[in-house]
Amino acid sequence: NAGVTQTPKFRVLKTGQSMTLLCAQDMNHEYMYWYRQDPGMGLRLIHYSVGEGTTAKGEVPDGYNVSRLKKQNFLLGLESAAPSQTSVYFCASSFRPSGNYEQYFGPGTRLTVT
Amino acid sequence: AQSVTQLGSHVSVSEGALVLLRCNYSSSVPPYLFWYVQYPNQGLQLLLKYTSAATLVKGINGFEAEFKKSETSFHLTKPSAHMSDAAEYFCAVTAGSGGYQKVTFGIGTKLQVIP
Repeated sequence: NAGVTQTPKFRVLKTGQSMTLLCAQDMNHEYMYWYRQDPGMGLRLIHYSVGEGTTAKGEVPDGYNVSRLKKQNFLLGLESAAPSQTSVYFCASSFRPSGNYEQYFGPGTRLTVT
Repeated sequence: AQSVTQLGSHVSVSEGALVLLRCNYSSSVPPYLFWYVQYPNQGLQLLLKYTSAATLVKGINGFEAEFKKSETSFHLTKPSAHMSDAAEYFCAVTAGSGGYQKVTFGIGTKLQVIP
């Protein structure tokens, strides 16, 4: 099992450019999440999905869109990148969305917006 | 509402010394608590979790944590630090088991192990 994989690992964008981050999981998890990690702020949830075709906003959704067309994939889009979106982005998945079910994380995508 | 406070964003210990990373939580309902570890340039991975079955929880790599309801704490310990323990550690809390429940992460504690 590859677990959770993310593409790309690194990316540099200019302000205003767009890009899509791809997350894939092979554990047949129903639930998937996108987080951003910034120094001193821990992980903050951007968007999440409770199943194929369904997505919901997390605590910092502005400037991002997501799609879950296939159960194993969860895409995060930046339509017009801003320097404030410079961060490390993590995708995660879980068997259940709550309780004692831990989340499985991908290796991260380091994004710099200049 | 729930929250997590990790005391000390950076902790340094000597190799072989006790590791103690502090986590206090706030939750209006019985919590589920987790410790995750993040090695440099990697994603988070689960160290251990508290699920109300036992207050002392043992995890991977010799780590353990004790749930103390009276102190609202879930501190992480390891008797003897190893160089390979150098990483960032995150405490997380969620509450409830019906439907989607938000997971709140602490800001993390970077552990440095000095040879």
